[in-house]
Order: sequence, then C-alpha cells, then structure tokens
Amino acid sequence: QVQVQESGPGLVRPSETLSLTCSVSGLSISESYSSSGGSCWGWIRQAPGRGLEWIGTICHGGTTYNNPSLRSRVTLSIDASKNRFSLTLTSVTAADTAAYYCARDSIYPYDGLYLLDDWGQGTLVTVSS
Amino acid sequence: QSALTQEASVSGTVGQKVTLSCAGSSNNIGNYAVGWYRQISHGGPKTVMFGNSLPSGIPDRFSASKSGTTAFLTISGLQPEDEADYYCSTWDYSLNARVFGAGTNLTV
Repeated sequence: QVQVQESGPGLVRPSETLSLTCSVSGLSISESYSSSGGSCWGWIRQAPGRGLEWIGTICHGGTTYNNPSLRSRVTLSIDASKNRFSLTLTSVTAADTAAYYCARDSIYPYDGLYLLDDWGQGTLVTVSS
Repeated sequence: QSALTQEASVSGTVGQKVTLSCAGSSNNIGNYAVGWYRQISHGGPKTVMFGNSLPSGIPDRFSASKSGTTAFLTISGLQPEDEADYYCSTWDYSLNARVFGAGTNLTV
C-alpha cells in the first residue's frame, strides 16, 4: 500500500519561499516510472473554502508537468535516495495560503491516463507576517 | 472558471441512487480518463474512482461512466458516510494541465 506524507513549515512570510516535502512509502520512486508511464508525484492545494487546484507533477527522470498559472514560481524535485519529492513556491502572498496535498499521480500519456491515486492528509500553510 | 462543470450540490436519502455529473469538452473528458475524489470536511481527498476502476477499499456501490464529454459518478444504495464533497479531474490538452471541477457537495 502506497502512502505519502507532507511535511514543512506551517507559516511563511509574504515574499518568501514556501518549501514542502512529501515522503513516500510502499513504492520506490525510482522504480515506478518508465518512458511509457507509471507513477509520478503531484502537488495539489486547496485555499480555505475553495476547491482543489493542481500545482504540478514530477516523474522520476525529470519529466515535469506544471500548472501554467503557477509555473514561473514553482520548482519540483525528487530525492530518490530518500524516496521523497519536494515543492518550492517562490514570492508567496496571502493568496498562497492553503492546505497543500501531495499525491501519487499515475500517468500513461499514450493511454490518456492522468489520474491521482494515493493522497496525503495535507499540511496547512499560512502566508502571513 | 473551471474547464469542468459540476453541480454545486446534490442531495439524496439513504438507500437511494444518485448520479453526479462532470461536464467538459473534447479537450479533456472527451479524450482522457476521469478520476473522482471524495473529501470529507476538508480532510485529505480520497480517490473513489480511478478511471473506470474502483480503488481498493471503495465499495462497489460506486460506479463511473462517460458519455461524450460528460463523466458521471453513480452511487447506489446511498449511505450516510457518503456525505462529502466530490471532485472530478482529468487532463486538458489545450491547457496542457490537469483540471478539476469545482466540486459537488453531496448531502445524505
């Protein structure tokens, strides 16, 4: 059973950088993806009282998919040696206050499959001075 | 304005069958599999339908279908624990991004 768990600071000051990590258990990040697809790793957020917003997804080997509205501020990375992946979001404002979720993202482009599967419980990040 | 349109709210009674819809376009639902996600009281979302497949632990009261550019999630034999927000999501090739519907609040 695949489990993912977010970690990171709950408070970030405006204009600073938000950094979160997601630890994966039950599946090796480096062994679960090939050129034809497999398990990638995504970030989704939810502002208070709002719906879900996809931030981006990264696959082992470097393939990334990003929300165009956030792309210029988002960096995704994988640390395969620690079986975890990370999100950095620069120049944060109050609008970035949200619960941030990581999830396993099953991607098989040739089959038209882009489906989120295992989700973390989320971590609330507040942007405030 | 989301690329996917869901009902804001749906209600049903215990034992009833309800169907939630997710309307999109040929840019998304028409060409890609759809996932459905349940969220209770803003806890972590849980996948209740992975394309046409039921994830482990999800009862077979849940089923999914698609007709053209609209996807449907049907819950048969509605139970009190089904009360939650339900989101649909898929890929949109014109936006080159994953898109979510705004969510449907299901009341039992």
